[in-house]
Amino acid sequence: AQSVSQHNHHVILSEAASLELGCNYSYGGTVNLFWYVQYPGQHLQLLLKYFSGDPLVKGIKGFEAEFIKSKFSFNLRKPSVQWSDTAEYFCAVTGNYGQNFVFGPGTRLSVLP
Amino acid sequence: GAGVSQSPSNKVTEKGKDVELRCDPISGHTALYWYRQRLGQGLEFLIYFQGNSAPDKSGLPSDRFSAERTGESVSTLTIQRTQQEDSAVYLCASSPQLAGGEQYFGPGTRLTVT
Repeated sequence: AQSVSQHNHHVILSEAASLELGCNYSYGGTVNLFWYVQYPGQHLQLLLKYFSGDPLVKGIKGFEAEFIKSKFSFNLRKPSVQWSDTAEYFCAVTGNYGQNFVFGPGTRLSVLP
Repeated sequence: GAGVSQSPSNKVTEKGKDVELRCDPISGHTALYWYRQRLGQGLEFLIYFQGNSAPDKSGLPSDRFSAERTGESVSTLTIQRTQQEDSAVYLCASSPQLAGGEQYFGPGTRLTVT
């Protein structure tokens, strides 16, 4: 069965620190990959996505992620976090026909001012 | 334009009662998903409607759960004979693409079974 793992349950950083959140997936075919963010009290929102092409994708608010096919990974990065980045971050994967959409358990990021 | 809307926003029900949750997707979105998010946990896939094809019901946890969608419009998720473990936030998302596109989430319905 498909699965998505996220390495960290809770990450605490100071402002201006660099961020990397790990995401690994298991899936036997072609995949589409996503990072979603849920700010406190708000809806889930798309941060970025990878369908094909350049494995380094850039999203909103300075986030980027790199798809490494050989490692089945899609790690999220940001060079300098802000207090407003405090949120829950979810990695997700689906087959390229929309099947088997699986979310990771989420990583809670707390950024200290 | 309007986003995905869900109603009610909160629902408290007694154990054993049936509940119906509603999702209004973004107009024109062909795909619609239901998820469950228990407190402090990730999203659990429940069901996926893809255009006019038969829905993917593989995530429904028991036969007490069912969902319907008419065409590309409103969807309802029904939970019969609710149990306390059904307490969670139920999220609906729609997508403009049939093929694994990004999803737009609603605000969720918080269900509490007492």
